[in-house]
Amino acid sequence: DAGITQSPRHKVTETGTPVTLRCHQTENHRYMYWYRQDPGHGLRLIHYSYGVKDTDKGEVSDGYSVSRSKTEDFLLTLESATSSQTSVYFCAISESGGYTEAFFGQGTRLTVV
Amino acid sequence: TQLLEQSPQFLSIQEGENLTVYCNSSSVFSSLQWYRQEPGEGPVLLVTVVTGGEVKKLKRLTFQFGDARKDSSLHITAAQPGDTGLYLCAGSGNQFYFGTGTSLTVIP
Repeated sequence: DAGITQSPRHKVTETGTPVTLRCHQTENHRYMYWYRQDPGHGLRLIHYSYGVKDTDKGEVSDGYSVSRSKTEDFLLTLESATSSQTSVYFCAISESGGYTEAFFGQGTRLTVV
Repeated sequence: TQLLEQSPQFLSIQEGENLTVYCNSSSVFSSLQWYRQEPGEGPVLLVTVVTGGEVKKLKRLTFQFGDARKDSSLHITAAQPGDTGLYLCAGSGNQFYFGTGTSLTVIP
């Protein structure tokens, strides 16, 4: 199994509070991604990174920010959590973007109350 | 708006039946992948198709990439309860363009 660890695995937070999710990889892959998964929507890209300090927005980036200061870590921050951000969040990695296999973490279930 | 639409969204069938899942787009992709996701887990790659018209077989699963590289299908023969899961197609680029998903339940 690819070495991807997401933390925390579960979190309940209150509306308006900041939340940071962490993705850690041991594969030294260049690309890292954050997705959210909601019923009927499959996986929707929030942000992705193609190298240290190199990031780009996905289709649902509003209300989220990311940082990648080291190859192995990719952080997702919800600046002020809202109930619409209740979701399951997946981190993924790949060697060469969408042309190679994506390996996924086990997901973080976030509930905003 | 998602680039890739999958149909059907939900499918519930009896063990032993055949089924086909479709993945359609108005965009051309240089390659397309299929993933399966089980409850509580992340998606896992099943196959990558690259050439228009390509057909790949993985045991009872047959994957086809459309000639125009805009669509793909997944056919499962004699479905088994172990095939239950969410099936996702994904088009290639700097990122992965995931489809809306098909949730398959195979009833014993």
